[in-house]
Amino acid sequence: DAGVIQSPRHEVTEMGQEVTLRCKPISGHNSLFWYRQTMMRGLELLIYFNNNVPIDDSGMPEDRFSAKMPNASFSTLKIQPSEPRDSAVYFCASSPLFTGELFFGEGSRLTVL
Amino acid sequence: KNEVEQSPQNLTAQEGEFITINCSYSVGISALHWLQQHPGGGIVSLFMLSSGKKKHGRLIATINIQEKHSSLHITASHPRDSAVYICAVRYNNDMRFGAGTRLTVKP
Repeated sequence: DAGVIQSPRHEVTEMGQEVTLRCKPISGHNSLFWYRQTMMRGLELLIYFNNNVPIDDSGMPEDRFSAKMPNASFSTLKIQPSEPRDSAVYFCASSPLFTGELFFGEGSRLTVL
Repeated sequence: KNEVEQSPQNLTAQEGEFITINCSYSVGISALHWLQQHPGGGIVSLFMLSSGKKKHGRLIATINIQEKHSSLHITASHPRDSAVYICAVRYNNDMRFGAGTRLTVKP
């Protein structure tokens, strides 16, 4: 079975542009997580979904960030408008349960100029 | 104050040495994860613990819930073990990460 698939792997954009990151979880997994990793702050949980429903988005830095999971096989993380401080690697992970083992995608490296 | 503290921050070892990485946390948790991040950036989950001890190959993870402490041990270390090891704890609906321990194993 394929692992967690993220796209794009790399994105370079200019300040003010909209950015959409995509994630396909492992089939059958009920929980999906979005994380951000920066040199300054390390790894941070942004939001997670359980059975496609957002459970906790308190980690989302501000209103410019939004995440959706329209079905069990797809999720998006959108930043609008993007700012240079959003530059980071964004990871998606899925799990059979919220309390289960995590399976990470390879990450999307975002650079906002 | 960071809820998750890891030590050491950096660790250099010779091939074959026994390695210990420590993680202390300050909140009541439902589970603790040990993650491995290789230089290429990918993250792999090594262990998920809520009590006791787990072993996988040369890796052993232990947790003491009362003392709020976990350790990751690597026996007979190898250069391919060189990576950043990250401790992460789950509590309530949140998840917090340690800053990571950068391990370098020299041949």
